[in-house]
Amino acid sequence: DAMVIQNPRYQVTQFGKPVTLSCSQTLNHNVMYWYQQKSSQAPKLLFHYYDKDFNNEADTPDNFQSRRPNTSFCFLDIRSPGLGDAAMYLCATSSRVGGVGGYTFGSGTRLTVV
Amino acid sequence: KQEVTQIPAALSVPEGENLVLNCSFTDSAIYNLQWFRQDPGKGLTSLLLIQSSQREQTSGRLNASLDKSSGRSTLYIAASQPGDSATYLCAVGGEGGSEKLVFGKGTKLTVNP
Repeated sequence: DAMVIQNPRYQVTQFGKPVTLSCSQTLNHNVMYWYQQKSSQAPKLLFHYYDKDFNNEADTPDNFQSRRPNTSFCFLDIRSPGLGDAAMYLCATSSRVGGVGGYTFGSGTRLTVV
Repeated sequence: KQEVTQIPAALSVPEGENLVLNCSFTDSAIYNLQWFRQDPGKGLTSLLLIQSSQREQTSGRLNASLDKSSGRSTLYIAASQPGDSATYLCAVGGEGGSEKLVFGKGTKLTVNP
């Protein structure tokens, strides 16, 4: 089945130690997104790629970066994780600008910072 | 700035009851509205997608409606089951051409056997 796959499902990292989360998709969608969801809060968009064009949300901390080496893969890099970065990180895709065809989400990566 | 509100924040019902979850949004210039289900500690599962030109969508026991002019959507769940227990999130997409999918905080539903 075509889908969005996130690895790992659970990630524990040390305070200040760089960490990378990965997302892959078999849907061949043009647009890929990274959302952050803290406990009992709404998911919040960090950034998105339309093909290779990177779009950062204005309030996304500089500590967060992303790479999209090809259509299928997208990575979220957290350069120096702090305790406040502990959250569920959700990857999503859509086929068209503005998500006209709807969005498909992965199962998420829960990040714990110790 | 688009804001999405979901009421109630939590809902507990007995099995078999029909129920309605509410979602409101402040800017009617949207491309679509999507309802998701989220189980504890898990990602989002898409339930229904309503394009801005549509009034409602149905899937099994679920029916979602959209009234763009009033900035409201409802998710109707018929004959609720314990397996329906989850958090239901409403999200609006494509506000003003933006890529941003803006979410509500969700309604936590508990269906008691």
